Amino acid sequence: QSALTQPASVSGSPGQSITISCTGTSSDVGGYNYVSWYQQHPGKAPKLIIYDVSNRPSGVSNRFSGSKSGNTASLTISGLQAEDEADYYCSSYTSSSTVVFGGGTKLTVL
Amino acid sequence: QVQLVESGGGVVQPGRSLRLSCAASGFTFSSYAMHWVRQAPGKGLEWVALISYDGSNEYYADSVKGRFTISRDNSKNMLCVQMNSLRAEDTAVYYCARSFGGNYPDFDYWGQGTLVTVSS
Repeated sequence: QSALTQPASVSGSPGQSITISCTGTSSDVGGYNYVSWYQQHPGKAPKLIIYDVSNRPSGVSNRFSGSKSGNTASLTISGLQAEDEADYYCSSYTSSSTVVFGGGTKLTVL
Repeated sequence: QVQLVESGGGVVQPGRSLRLSCAASGFTFSSYAMHWVRQAPGKGLEWVALISYDGSNEYYADSVKGRFTISRDNSKNMLCVQMNSLRAEDTAVYYCARSFGGNYPDFDYWGQGTLVTVSS
């Protein structure tokens, strides 16, 4: 159950787009379309922003989008806003019927 | 509205036990799988355990297998985790989370978390 691999940090200017990658194996990300993404602001509980690779829960901005290719999933945030500054985590279902998270990515809006 | 409220956290010595609870309200608790997720201070999220909607299946992270036991009481809308043989590395905020996708990591509601500190 090794953690999924995410970049430790990414940054972008307001209005720009950024992409966060999440790399796993064929036993998790590559094997199932059950990848989710969470946004977490300091001191708060995580918030679901993408589920099942590319679906957005009701109320989540369409500036957030998800995709997957092989063993790597990606989260793209377009039209960056100051409020997007947060930590982002990917997660995936695994072949052991468990769940694994990525190590997290800190997004800085310059 | 959906609410998940954790309780039971605190300071505990290494090797001792602690039981966390999560009171659910605002939804049909017995229809959803439930998970525990933890976050060590300043660190990332770590999935801990899952219990199916009816309690018939349980799954655990390798890091807690054999030490932690997840359980639920659907008549009381309560989720619990019994944590035995606690270690310093179990120190974390523990969240309960509802999954609308069953075993899948579709955690649409989270509690506010309860802090467990394992220290002598």
